Amino acid sequence: GAGVSQSPSNKVTEKGKDVELRCDPISGHTALYWYRQSLGQGLEFLIYFQGNSAPDKSGLPSDRFSAERTGGSVSTLTIQRTQQEDSAVYLCASSTGLGWDIQYFGAGTRLSVL
Amino acid sequence: RKEVEQDPGPFNVPEGATVAFNCTYSNSASQSFFWYRQDCRKEPKLLMSVYSSGNEDGRFTAQLNRASQYISLLIRDSKLSDSATYLCVVNERQTGANNLFFGTGTRLTVIP
Repeated sequence: GAGVSQSPSNKVTEKGKDVELRCDPISGHTALYWYRQSLGQGLEFLIYFQGNSAPDKSGLPSDRFSAERTGGSVSTLTIQRTQQEDSAVYLCASSTGLGWDIQYFGAGTRLSVL
Repeated sequence: RKEVEQDPGPFNVPEGATVAFNCTYSNSASQSFFWYRQDCRKEPKLLMSVYSSGNEDGRFTAQLNRASQYISLLIRDSKLSDSATYLCVVNERQTGANNLFFGTGTRLTVIP
């Protein structure tokens, strides 16, 4: 597909379990972002990958959160020992990293921690 | 202090009305600016970029005021389908670090 693809679209898990969320960016986009959006709230930046540079992890809320990007393409966001406050929509976006750097978003993964 | 600030609204306007939103940004070195639209339970999508000279796309007009560090979005002849949250986005272009900052959004509801 031509757009940013995220999976799963919905994830229900029990408190304390680990979850992995996947993002497949637009082909050729070197920049990839993860955001979190709680119900009725704005976007909360989590982590940013740009090419081969070290990722900007300044938005990760705790050490339970980690992300990697393999081969400069697909990214996985991992949340360990999930808590109820982790319930949110996790959005991934990609961009060329150049010029006006317009971001294109995936449809998100809706995470519910019971 | 937030990088980007917006009035959260909600703005409730009748069909056909003209409505304007403002957004202020804190970094005077910011280089590119955007308005995104987010429908309920959907992902944000680019509405329009905001150029220094201002730009118009149909019923939508965006303007940038660098001296006062704000951007605006004007919607004329509002339609029911314009109901959404409008996000202001500013790119500060810091190499190697997150350089895109989103406002929390302004919610617009167009009423029949």
